[in-house]
Amino acid sequence: AQRVTQPEKLLSVFKGAPVELKCNYSYSGSPELFWYVQYSRQRLQLLLRHISRESIKGFTADLNKGETSFHLKKPFAQEEDSAMYYCAPNLNEKLTFGTGTRLTIIP
Amino acid sequence: NAGVMQNPRHLVRRRGQEARLRCSPMKGHSHVYWYRQLPEEGLKFMVYLQKENIIDESGMPKERFSAEFPKEGPSILRIQQVVRGDSAAYFCASAEGQGAPRAFFGQGTRLTVV
Repeated sequence: AQRVTQPEKLLSVFKGAPVELKCNYSYSGSPELFWYVQYSRQRLQLLLRHISRESIKGFTADLNKGETSFHLKKPFAQEEDSAMYYCAPNLNEKLTFGTGTRLTIIP
Repeated sequence: NAGVMQNPRHLVRRRGQEARLRCSPMKGHSHVYWYRQLPEEGLKFMVYLQKENIIDESGMPKERFSAEFPKEGPSILRIQQVVRGDSAAYFCASAEGQGAPRAFFGQGTRLTVV
């Protein structure tokens, strides 16, 4: 079955420490992959997409086809990174969201 | 461009009543997606619509739920005879074209059934 998995519901990291939010997918083909973020009291917004290979707010994500992963990384966490993060592949013409990881940055 | 607008932001209904949730997509967007977020859970896809057409409703419960996106006006998600389990945040997203290369989200409607 096609699915996306974010194994950590909650993740706490100290300010200045590296961050890695895990995302694994299982399906055939080469879907487009996105990370979305939802800050407190704000709407869900696109953080980055894998085909653009860009870095937004210091975050990067590399698609690893061998491991079928699309982990989100940042070398030095900042307090404003505290938010809910969703991995979202584009499956069958629609965004399919993982269960999300709530990231808390400890000052 | 005001972005994707959802209203109401908060909706309280008694069990058995109907709930109507509205979503106005961004200007120029003809594709709308509805998602539901239950407490402590992620976003679950419900339905994907194009103007006057339902493209994919694989995530919609079989009964009581319906969605439309008319030629004129907002997309409507309608829940008949609401039950406590329908309490959730309902999010709408819009995109320019098929495949949602980039979808923009509304702020959601929080439905509470009492």
